[in-house]
Amino acid sequence: EVQLVESGGGLVQPGGSLRLSCAASGFTFSDHYMDWVRQAPGKGLEWVGRTRNKANSYTTEYAASLKGRFTISRDDSKNSLDLQMNSLKTEDTAVYYCARVHSSSGYYYMDVWGKGTTVTVSS
Amino acid sequence: DIQMTQSPSSLSASVGDRVTITCRASQSISSYLNWYQQKPGKAPKFLIYAASSLQTGVPSRFSGSGSGTDFTLTISSLQPEDFATYYCQQSYSLFTFGPGTKVDIK
Repeated sequence: EVQLVESGGGLVQPGGSLRLSCAASGFTFSDHYMDWVRQAPGKGLEWVGRTRNKANSYTTEYAASLKGRFTISRDDSKNSLDLQMNSLKTEDTAVYYCARVHSSSGYYYMDVWGKGTTVTVSS
Repeated sequence: DIQMTQSPSSLSASVGDRVTITCRASQSISSYLNWYQQKPGKAPKFLIYAASSLQTGVPSRFSGSGSGTDFTLTISSLQPEDFATYYCQQSYSLFTFGPGTKVDIK
């Protein structure tokens, strides 16, 4: 079964750091781009960022709004994806999802999602 | 950055109704448009890519159309399990989601 399982969420104070992880199974993780998406309470979906695969030099992209505070990394040997979040703000409070990016004929989409992990930034 | 808008932001409909949701991009994105469905407390579910291509397993009552800047998602006959929030997403330049359209029961 194709599966993504996020972990690492919790309560953190403003200005603090947190590292989220996503464990992948059931597919060839190394072939895929992987993304993070977040959803603040009662709000819509916000794309956070991406790590590409080895064939594309593991390059990363981030939403401009994050201004360098977040870093995405991956370990293909462990089928895992991480999101390092620094200088956290109350507005970073959200459910964070990891998602597999698939492509078909040059069209990219998120076809597999984890159930999410909740991050609360509060004093 | 490409901005996405959706209309309406919410709608009320009955089982069996035909429902249409509109999505607009701030610049031309050709057919690089995806649709997702999300139910409360659940992760989004992927429905449509390339504006009109249905993901395997998605019921045929769902359809998508459009190109350039204007797109639509249509549910031909609304079923009880279709009450959810629907998001469009451009994939022309990385990803950007629309703000969502909530479909609830009339």
